[in-house]
Order: sequence, then C-alpha cells, then structure tokens
Amino acid sequence: GAVVSQHPSWVICKSGTSVKIECRSLDFQATTMFWYRQFPKQSLMLMATSNEGSKATYEQGVEKDKFLINHASLTLSTLTVTSAHPEDSSFYICSAKPGTSGRDEQFFGPGTRLTVL
Amino acid sequence: GENVEQHPSTLSVQEGDSAVIKCTYSDSASNYFPWYKQELGKRPQLIIDIRSNVGEKKDQRIAVTLNKTAKHFSLHITETQPEDSAVYFCAASRANFGNEKLTFGTGTRLTIIP
Repeated sequence: GAVVSQHPSWVICKSGTSVKIECRSLDFQATTMFWYRQFPKQSLMLMATSNEGSKATYEQGVEKDKFLINHASLTLSTLTVTSAHPEDSSFYICSAKPGTSGRDEQFFGPGTRLTVL
Repeated sequence: GENVEQHPSTLSVQEGDSAVIKCTYSDSASNYFPWYKQELGKRPQLIIDIRSNVGEKKDQRIAVTLNKTAKHFSLHITETQPEDSAVYFCAASRANFGNEKLTFGTGTRLTIIP
C-alpha cells in the first residue's frame, strides 16, 4: 500500500511554455501533499505544501505565480510550471501524507525530470 | 525554521564493514526523524524512522539512534553490501503539530567497496 504516482516521468519543453505535473495517491487519501525540487547531486528542497481544498503554502523564495499548485481532491495534486526557463530544469518530486492519524511518514512519487530548452 | 546538517557528504566502506551517518537538527520541537535512501534518478525510499519518544530503533542491519538533548541522530548500517550504495538523506519534522513538512539534510553518498 501507500503508492504515489507522478505523471509525466520526464518532459522536455521549449522556453516560455508551461508544464503540468500530476501527483496521485493511488491507494490512500492524502490530506497533505508536498512538492520538492532536486537539482543534480543536491538535496530535496521543499517548494510548497498543498492541502486539499485550500491554497498551497509556499516556501520562502518560491514564486507562487510561477509554480501553480492545485490540490483539488484527496488523491490528486498538480504543479504547473508557468513560462518555464532553462533554470527551471530539475527533478520535481511530490510526496503525500495519508490522512490517517498517527502516520507521520510521507510517501514519495517517482519524480518528474523537467528539461527546458 | 528547522535546519538539518548531515555528515559526511561522502563515505566509502569495505563490504561487510559498518557505515555511520550523522545528522544534527536545530528545532527542539522536531519529533519525527526519517531516513531515506535514494538511488540515481529514483524516488527517496524510507528505510527507517524514529520518533522523539524513542532513543533507538533497529530493523535488521539498519539502526537509528536519537539524542534529543544534543539534537542529533545517526544512521548505522552493519554488514554493508554493494546494494547499500546510494545517497542517504536524513530529515526532521514537527509531526502532528500541524506543520508536518520535512527538512532534509544535504545527503551522504555511500559507496560500498566490494
């Protein structure tokens, strides 16, 4: 159990276009989902916390108008990178936390590798 | 906010020997400390976690110790095997405080030498 999927697994786009990444919890309801960005040989940096039915909470330095997050249901959160530029190229990973009380662990998606040309 | 430091950044050990990775945290309210293993291009996989009401936890060859007073916790891998080679991340969070985000350490690249 506790499987998280992401789609697409990789995407290449032209500079200036927008890209949407989906994160789904397949066998549990996720009240909270998290979006991370990971540059090569670096750690995971939290971008935002997404709660179902409410606005996402962005970390300091993350542009909320550039990285649009929608958590419309208990099993789906989306991250849209708007007007992508080469510096946005990275590995984007989501995680989901089950709504069951007492469970602290987060389950990670397989990641989406974004390359902006 | 929370700050997690992790050492060493790289670690090479002979197969069969033990490996130890250490982390320190700054927020005394943090109470959940997971360890993740990440292989190249893959998702982080939870390998063990510990909560602040416990000082040590073991799962076969993997153990984690926590010293709340000193605010540090460590991952111990015994009888290392080639498949243990990966990047390991520690993390800390205030689980159940309504602010459950994980703050990750900088990672340790572990290489097991056959």
